[in-house]
Amino acid sequence: KAGVTQTPRYLIKTRGQQVTLSCSPISGHRSVSWYQQTPGQGLQFLFEYFSETQRNKGNFPGRFSGRQFSNSRSEMNVSTLELGDSALYLCASRYDRVNTGELFFGEGSRLTVL
Amino acid sequence: KQEVTQIPAALSVPEGENLVLNCSFTDSAIYNLQWFRQDPGKGLTSLLLIQSSQREQTSGRLNASLDKSSGRSTLYIAASQPGDSATYLCAVGGAGSYQLTFGKGTKLSVIP
Repeated sequence: KAGVTQTPRYLIKTRGQQVTLSCSPISGHRSVSWYQQTPGQGLQFLFEYFSETQRNKGNFPGRFSGRQFSNSRSEMNVSTLELGDSALYLCASRYDRVNTGELFFGEGSRLTVL
Repeated sequence: KQEVTQIPAALSVPEGENLVLNCSFTDSAIYNLQWFRQDPGKGLTSLLLIQSSQREQTSGRLNASLDKSSGRSTLYIAASQPGDSATYLCAVGGAGSYQLTFGKGTKLSVIP
């Protein structure tokens, strides 16, 4: 059974550009969450999607957005990139949105903003 | 607001030693607690999931305990090996919330 797949694994952008990251959850999983990991702040919750609807959002500016498709695949977008957006972006999936299930993470997309 | 603390931030032990990693949380209204391992530059690997109704979970050389009333969890690693070197993160799933709140992690180094 394939795990959570994230693409691209690495990318470099310049300030002001935008970026789109992709996540394919484990087959059968319907909930997809996104987290940002930085050395200073650790892991911070961005948002969670279930059945193509954003159900929960963390404390990030509106430049951070996402969506989920009917096959549960998800994308997140960051517009007008800032230097502080450099981070490892992790996607996670679980079978259902109830917070009792085990969460499985992908390898992450490492974004560097120059 | 849930806060999760992991102490120590870093730990170095000789191979073969048994060790305990600590995790504390401020709000006891949780669904579960999950321990993860993260190797440098990699994603998170789930190690153990403890539901709020459980006291402990075991997987191989790993044993995690949960004391919800005191807001504490421990991850016990028996007979440590150099391959156990990684950062260990604990995360709490809050009741009424659909996100995990993470601690900053404990970086473990097992010296051969």
